[in-house]
Order: sequence, then C-alpha cells, then structure tokens
Amino acid sequence: DQQVKQNSPSLSVQEGRISILNCDYTNSMFDYFLWYKKYPAEGPTFLISISSIKDKNEDGRFTVFLNKSAKHLSLHIVPSQPGDSAVYFCAASYQGGKLIFGQGTELSVKP
Amino acid sequence: ETGVTQSPTHLIKTRGQQVTLRCSSQSGHNTVSWYQQALGQGPQFIFQYYREEENGRGNFPPRFSGLQFPNYSSELNVNALELDDSALYLCASSLVVRTGDNEQFFGPGTRLTVL
Repeated sequence: DQQVKQNSPSLSVQEGRISILNCDYTNSMFDYFLWYKKYPAEGPTFLISISSIKDKNEDGRFTVFLNKSAKHLSLHIVPSQPGDSAVYFCAASYQGGKLIFGQGTELSVKP
Repeated sequence: ETGVTQSPTHLIKTRGQQVTLRCSSQSGHNTVSWYQQALGQGPQFIFQYYREEENGRGNFPPRFSGLQFPNYSSELNVNALELDDSALYLCASSLVVRTGDNEQFFGPGTRLTVL
C-alpha cells in the first residue's frame, strides 16, 4: 500500500525554465510534508517543508504547494539550474513520526 | 554544527552473519530514525528512537534492532543477514519540540552488500 506516490520517474527541463515535481498521497491524517533532494552516494538533503495548515511555502527558488482536497503536493523550482539535477523525494508524516517517502523523481536540467 | 555521520561507509557480509551500523546525530537533536533504501526506491522506515526509547517501528522483522545512547548516537543491528538486506541504510536525526514539525536530517548512509 503506497501511501505516497510520485508517478513520474523522471523529468527533463531546460535551464532557466520551471521544474514542477508532483506527489500524491492517500492518508488524510498526514500533517507535515517535506521534499528532499538526493545525489548519488549521498544521503537525502532536506529542501523545504509545509504544514497541513498551509497551502504554500516558499524558500528562494523553491516553492511547495499543498492541495489537501486533492491530496496533492508539488515542488516548483524557478529558475531551474543544472546543479538542481538530482533525484527528488517527497515525504509525509503524522504527528512527528516516521517519514513515508515516494519513489522519487529524477530531475535532469539541461544547459 | 556537526551534521549526521554514519559508519562504516560500505560493508560486505555473507548470509547468516550479523552487522552493526552506527550513527552520530546532529548536535542538539534528540531523535534518530533509521531507513532502508533499496535500489530505485524511496527510503523505508525501520524504526525511530526518542530519548533512548523506541518510538515507532516499520514493517521490519525482529532481527532488525536498535539502540540510542545518552549522547543520542545510535546503532542499527541486523541478525541472520539475508540477500534482500542488501541496501543503503540511512540514519536521520531531528529535534522534536512539538507535534507536527518533522524536519529530519540524513547522514550519507551505509551501503550494505550481503553475498
């Protein structure tokens, strides 16, 4: 039972354009959502998070949108840079407990 | 501020052996979680420790066990290794001050290969 899903295994974007990574979840009890970035041979790096009481959180080039009625969140990266190329994971949690991760989306930003 | 560190980086074991992986939490953090990441998958939660007590466990058999020490460092022990235990093992630490906020910071992982 996959409670957090990232349906796009890969995404290719031109440098300077917007990257949009999507994530769907099934458990309405989740109250905190996070995005992580992972390079090969490294652990995931925390990027940005959002509480379920908000619908948007912004940090520099990164914005996360949460649509609770659709059980959907997205990560927008504007403008995209070649250094953003990595695997991106969304994760969800309930009351500060375990993180449940999606399968990841590999982003490739081409110069 | 020191980040999360893990040792060893790589490990090769044979079926039936036992392994201990170690993690040092980020300074000031009181909670440590362990995850297993198989190739091409997202990390899967193994268990979490808060102030030296287990605070949640994922769908892993009892041969996966752990400890958290007073300095908040942690160990993951796996007994009777199986081929499917080959994976990247990730440790994450966090500071739990109130329900909800849950930024967990990951170490670089230990790559375990079981032959």
